[in-house]
Amino acid sequence: GAVVSQHPSRVICKSGTSVKIECRSLDFQATTMFWYRQFPKQSLMLMATSNEGSKATYEQGVEKDKFLINHASLTLSTLTVTSAHPEDSSFYICSARDSAGARRTEAFFGQGTRLTVV
Amino acid sequence: AQTVTQSQPEMSVQEAETVTLSCTYDTSESDYYLFWYKQPPSRQMILVIRQEAYKQQNATENRFSVNFQKAAKSFSLKISDSQLGDAAMYFCAYRGDNFGNEKLTFGTGTRLTIIP
Repeated sequence: GAVVSQHPSRVICKSGTSVKIECRSLDFQATTMFWYRQFPKQSLMLMATSNEGSKATYEQGVEKDKFLINHASLTLSTLTVTSAHPEDSSFYICSARDSAGARRTEAFFGQGTRLTVV
Repeated sequence: AQTVTQSQPEMSVQEAETVTLSCTYDTSESDYYLFWYKQPPSRQMILVIRQEAYKQQNATENRFSVNFQKAAKSFSLKISDSQLGDAAMYFCAYRGDNFGNEKLTFGTGTRLTIIP
């Protein structure tokens, strides 16, 4: 149980195009999901908190018009990197918390998406 | 704002031996959660152990245990009988218990190498 599926695992796109990354909670409902970015050999930096049915909350310094987040259902959040540039190349990870039950204190992570912009 | 500090960028241990990874944090909250996550080369984040701040008893999970010192704001991870599969990056993380402050704050990580 408590599986979070993230897709795609790897994506290469051309500079100027947009890329969508999906994060799904497979066996639980998640009113809140989180999107992180991880540079090589560094820690996870929170980009935004995705709230089901409402606007995402972005961390300071994260461009909300560039990183569009949609959380349309209790099991799916998407991150769209718009007009991607090489500096957006990174590892993106989502996590989700179970909205109910004993597991609600911990976050479960997707497998991550390695984005390369050429 | 909460901060999490891991002062050991790299650690190594002989297989079957015991190793302790350090973590300190700073917070003004009284209720919170602390976690250790493991990130192997696959980069999948795996929960190793968690500790609720209101519990005085240290959490244990098989070969993994923590030394939680609330007053000192210290949360170290002890790995006993180290195995080759324990090689990974280990991240200490903090989460508040207040509604609206549920994000995880991570430390910078410790890379653990297991020597056969």
